This record gives sequence, structure tokens and C-alpha cells, in this order.
Amino acid sequence: AQTVTQSQPEMSVQEAETVTLSCTYDTSESDYYLFWYKQPPSRQMILVIRQEAYKQQNATENRFSVNFQKAAKSFSLKISDSQLGDAAMYFCAYGGSNYKLTFGKGTLLTVNP
Amino acid sequence: KAGVTQTPRYLIKTRGQQVTLSCSPISGHRSVSWYQQTPGQGLQFLFEYFSETQRNKGNFPGRFSGRQFSNSRSEMNVSTLELGDSALYLCASALEGQGHNEQFFGPGTRLTVL
Repeated sequence: AQTVTQSQPEMSVQEAETVTLSCTYDTSESDYYLFWYKQPPSRQMILVIRQEAYKQQNATENRFSVNFQKAAKSFSLKISDSQLGDAAMYFCAYGGSNYKLTFGKGTLLTVNP
Repeated sequence: KAGVTQTPRYLIKTRGQQVTLSCSPISGHRSVSWYQQTPGQGLQFLFEYFSETQRNKGNFPGRFSGRQFSNSRSEMNVSTLELGDSALYLCASALEGQGHNEQFFGPGTRLTVL
């Protein structure tokens, strides 16, 4: 079974600065996908970024980028130029062959003005 | 394109009752998944349906069941409610549901069991 671990229950960052959220996972599959989802307070969960395991190049979406280390089974999210609207719970998730997402426990990100 | 909708948004039930939650996926999406979200356990997978067939089921007791209709809409049912069933129940839809598919989440149904 796959597991996803987010070791930082809470993080805070100053507006306009950079923050990195950590995620590690465990799997025996070779073909899989990794995701970061954002859940703002009382709002719907939305996809932030997706990484395909067979691609060595790290995914980037505007201010959001990942550092994917396949051998180390590490998948961190970097948020640059943090904005107040980035405040949310961030979930790392694994998608493999069994038609489900396995989520980490989440990291609550606070952005300070 | 309309997003994933879930009804009702809030529910209050008492122990021993049963409840049915509904999910309408994004048009064209054939995969619907259900997750239970609690502060202690986080997001836990309940089940996934594709073309009216359950393809995967999480580690939940048999009191939790679901189904999918021919129009891809899905319902989940919880019988004999327990206090521990209080949670946010999230529905997500995807084109086909394989690992690479982005899942689009609904706003959730907040269930409170008294």
C-alpha cells in the first residue's frame, strides 16, 4: 500500500517571501503521479500542480514549483512570492494504479502580511 | 462548465439513523470518488465508481455504501450512524479515474451526528 507523509503540520511565511512544503511517499509502483492540492478555509479543494513520475523535469505552474526526487521518494512544493490568497491547507497526494488518491495529513500554511 | 455539486451541504442526524449524500460530477466525467475528511484522520478514501461499477473500496465498515447511476451521478449511504461518522464528505470526479487524472472536488457535505 502507498503512504504519503507530510511532516510539517503548520508553516508560516511572510507575504512576498518563499516557502517550501515537504512531502515524502512510499510505493512499489514505477508509474504514478503526484499532486499538490490546496484547500482554502471553507472552500473547495483545487489542484495546484501535478508531477508525472517518469518525467525528470520538475513541474512548474506560475509561482508554484516542485522538487521531485524520485529515488528519495520526495516531492516538495515551493511557493514563491507568497500572497495572502495562498493561505490554505495543502495536501500532497499520490495517484497510482488503483483508482484512488492517497493523501498526506496536510500542512496548514499561514501567510503573514 | 459546471463544477462538481454535492447535496445537501449540511446535515445533522442522530445516532442510529441513516443518511444519503448525493454527488453530480462534471459533465463528461465518468469516474466519481468519495473521501471522508476529519481533523484526526485527514482525507480517507471511501470508494470509486466508473460506469456504474465500483472499482475500488477503502477500509470502511459495510455501513458505508455507494452507487453510481447511468448519468454518472453518485450517491453514498451511511446506515446506523455513529458519532465518529461526523465528518466532511467530499466527492471528486475525473474523466476516467486512473492515477494521472486530475480529480475535481465538490464543496463537500458536512455531516454532524449527535
